[in-house]
Amino acid sequence: AQSVTQLGSHVSVSEGALVLLRCNYSSSVPPYLFWYVQYPNQGLQLLLKYTSAATLVKGINGFEAEFKKSETSFHLTKPSAHMSDAAEYFCAVSEEGSNYKLTFGKGTLLTVNP
Amino acid sequence: DVKVTQSSRYLVKRTGEKVFLECVQDMDHENMFWYRQDPGLGLRLIYFSYDVKMKEKGDIPEGYSVSREKKERFSLILESASTNQTSMYLCASNLIDRDNSPLHFGNGTRLTVT
Repeated sequence: AQSVTQLGSHVSVSEGALVLLRCNYSSSVPPYLFWYVQYPNQGLQLLLKYTSAATLVKGINGFEAEFKKSETSFHLTKPSAHMSDAAEYFCAVSEEGSNYKLTFGKGTLLTVNP
Repeated sequence: DVKVTQSSRYLVKRTGEKVFLECVQDMDHENMFWYRQDPGLGLRLIYFSYDVKMKEKGDIPEGYSVSREKKERFSLILESASTNQTSMYLCASNLIDRDNSPLHFGNGTRLTVT
């Protein structure tokens, strides 16, 4: 069974600081990994996805994530936070052969301070 | 761009009422999903459908049913609403032919049961 753990339900950074949101997964087979973002009063939008073509994945709005199989991690980073990055971020995993079974983490709320 | 439209942003219903939440997507996606989102719990899958008239239970199907009579429309039904079903409900869709096909979400329906 697959599972996702997001470390830290709330992360607060200053504008211009590094953003690091942590995600660890457990999966018995090679996983498919995603990061989604949810702005207030909206649904979720895809930030980026891991497709096995490259371990470093670049997404929208300057975010990127690195797949580390040895650490079963897929942490999300952005070098310099912007006020508009304030949102909730969800890591998700699905397994090969289980397209419908997308398991989400519990989310990390990112606050950006001026 | 894919559009997933949920018919209501906010709903207030009384305990015991039958409630219908409607979702329509415009990209001919085979898969459609209903999730509920609660603070601290992330997204939990209620039901999904991979074809017209086909459905499978997700992780928390109790108290819910679904209907998919047309490919573009997926309805979530609360047979007898209860206060513990007060939540944000998110509809999503994606393609069936690739495991890393990302989900496209609607903006959500915030349901309050009093």
